[in-house]
Amino acid sequence: GEDVEQSLFLSVREGDSSVINCTYTDSSSTYLYWYKQEPGAGLQLLTYIFSNMDMKQDQRLTVLLNKKDKHLSLRIADTQTGDSAIYFCAESIRDTGRRALTFGSGTRLQVQP
Amino acid sequence: GAVVSQHPSWVICKSGTSVKIECRSLDFQATTMFWYRQFPKQSLMLMATSNEGSKATYEQGVEKDKFLINHASLTLSTLTVTSAHPEDSSFYICSAPFISGRAENRNEQFFGPGTRLTVL
Repeated sequence: GEDVEQSLFLSVREGDSSVINCTYTDSSSTYLYWYKQEPGAGLQLLTYIFSNMDMKQDQRLTVLLNKKDKHLSLRIADTQTGDSAIYFCAESIRDTGRRALTFGSGTRLQVQP
Repeated sequence: GAVVSQHPSWVICKSGTSVKIECRSLDFQATTMFWYRQFPKQSLMLMATSNEGSKATYEQGVEKDKFLINHASLTLSTLTVTSAHPEDSSFYICSAPFISGRAENRNEQFFGPGTRLTVL
């Protein structure tokens, strides 16, 4: 079955870059996503990448995909205290077109002023 | 963008009672909606797939008689937690895939804000 793994915690200083890593096992993944969840809140889609892409940049966010190693990363440039949250990577499930997502365990990003 | 709402946003109930959670797609139709559960400090786990006009599909280990799902219309799915117990306390989140002429291949999903259920 599908499995998505992330490191649990990352601490950076304000202004530094943050890199959050994710590995997945399902080679048939079509889309890979990054979501942000603030305490007590729902999920906010940050960005996504199609599996035939290597990189996608969107303002301060850069997503890198290494399909061979099944490794996905999210880089946040000039990290701000408002970026403190839990970040989930997710992949789409290729199963009769249900299109539900499999989520990683989440990485808690702590930004220190 | 597409909006998905949930109601209520939080609920506290006594053990043994039933709780209904609504998930609505506000500006688009969704023949399929997904229900996830998130325990504290854990990830989201898919519970079931709600299908308009047919029975829901449940993930392994999820009791369909306990978590009743009704996809009443193209914009509404409800999850009823029957005879709730403290171990059912969790954050329940629904999502709906949004398919448009532009995004039909993007598998873009929109999530509701979640419902926090606390069973005493």
